[in-house]
Amino acid sequence: EAGVAQSPRYKIIEKRQSVAFWCNPISGHATLYWYQQILGQGPKLLIQFQNNGVVDDSQLPKDRFSAERLKGVDSTLKIQPAKLEDSAVYLCASSLGGAKNIQYFGAGTRLSVL
Amino acid sequence: SQQGEEDPQALSIQEGENATMNCSYKTSINNLQWYRQNSGRGLVHLILIRSNEREKHSGRLRVTLDTSKKSSSLLITASRAADTASYFCATDARGNKLVFGAGTILRVKS
Repeated sequence: EAGVAQSPRYKIIEKRQSVAFWCNPISGHATLYWYQQILGQGPKLLIQFQNNGVVDDSQLPKDRFSAERLKGVDSTLKIQPAKLEDSAVYLCASSLGGAKNIQYFGAGTRLSVL
Repeated sequence: SQQGEEDPQALSIQEGENATMNCSYKTSINNLQWYRQNSGRGLVHLILIRSNEREKHSGRLRVTLDTSKKSSSLLITASRAADTASYFCATDARGNKLVFGAGTILRVKS
């Protein structure tokens, strides 16, 4: 079974530039999550999709972050314009949902904003 | 905000020793999960314990849950160098959303 795929693995941009991350979840997983993980901290949920609908985006800075899940499969997360404090690892995860809610994570995209 | 808080923040032990990590949380939960993260990688699910369970085993892992104290512990027995990683507890308080703690960094010296 293929895992969660993310690209790119690394990205370096200057502040005020825009950047996009891509995620392909495990086949059949209806729920998709984007997390932000700042160095030395645990992952913080940015947005949760159920199929192609948003379930929770309460912690997504909507003035600069946006996300979509095309046809309920792949997803992209965009930052425009980026700030220095956006430097972090962006993790995508997917799950079948249900009572257990075990999540499967991609390797992440490490973003450095200079 | 992060609900779970792990203790200690960092732990260094010799190969073959046991490692114990603790997690405290604030609200009622459906289940609590532990994940491992190797450097530069994503998180990997280790074990899940439901709110009505008190102890669970999986290989060299033992997890306990005390809902009255809102705390959990993860014990790794007979540790190996390959166990070197960060360990996170995550609470599932309401459907399909996990809240992660800040993690414990475990270093196992060979």
